[in-house]
Amino acid sequence: GAGVSQSPSNKVTEKGKDVELRCDPISGHTALYWYRQSLGQGLEFLIYFQGNSAPDKSGLPSDRFSAERTGGSVSTLTIQRTQQEDSAVYLCASSSGQGVNEKLFFGSGTQLSVL
Amino acid sequence: SQQGEEDPQALSIQEGENATMNCSYKTSINNLQWYRQNSGRGLVHLILIRSNEREKHSGRLRVTLDTSKKSSSLLITASRAADTASYFCATDEGNNRKLIWGLGTSLAVNP
Repeated sequence: GAGVSQSPSNKVTEKGKDVELRCDPISGHTALYWYRQSLGQGLEFLIYFQGNSAPDKSGLPSDRFSAERTGGSVSTLTIQRTQQEDSAVYLCASSSGQGVNEKLFFGSGTQLSVL
Repeated sequence: SQQGEEDPQALSIQEGENATMNCSYKTSINNLQWYRQNSGRGLVHLILIRSNEREKHSGRLRVTLDTSKKSSSLLITASRAADTASYFCATDEGNNRKLIWGLGTSLAVNP
């Protein structure tokens, strides 16, 4: 696709339910990032995928959070047993993965609201 | 932890004025990037400056980098109402490609 696509754009769920957020990166981009942004805050790193390497999961806040990247393309971020503090915008970004001096391309994010 | 720290946190100016935002960081970097965010959703890359560069221009944007002071500034000249957005700096951590983000500067350009 022309850009990074995220779905859904908005998700309202009840506390305790599981949610899945999807990210479709730019075709050919080997690096994929998930970030979380709470209202008025900066970006909090969650997880990073690079090619076939083991993902960097150091930012996942708890074991309720997990992410997969199938076939080196589409990624799914899953939050189990959602809590109200999980409410935030979840942003996905991809990059070419070719070097350290590269820019990220972001999707429009998923606004998650946990009631 | 947040490496980049922008200041001011919020800036309000009149259309046509210049806007200057600053970013400080703590560790050595390969590059520093500035991004823009409208309405709390996706970020758009503005400019990347490498650690061996001191100044870079892109249209009405001018970025400077002072590695001795571990700081960068973003100047938007002749601002427009459409420049209203939040601006973030992001730095890498040496060999780590995971970017570290500041809390952003919220810019309001009044018509």
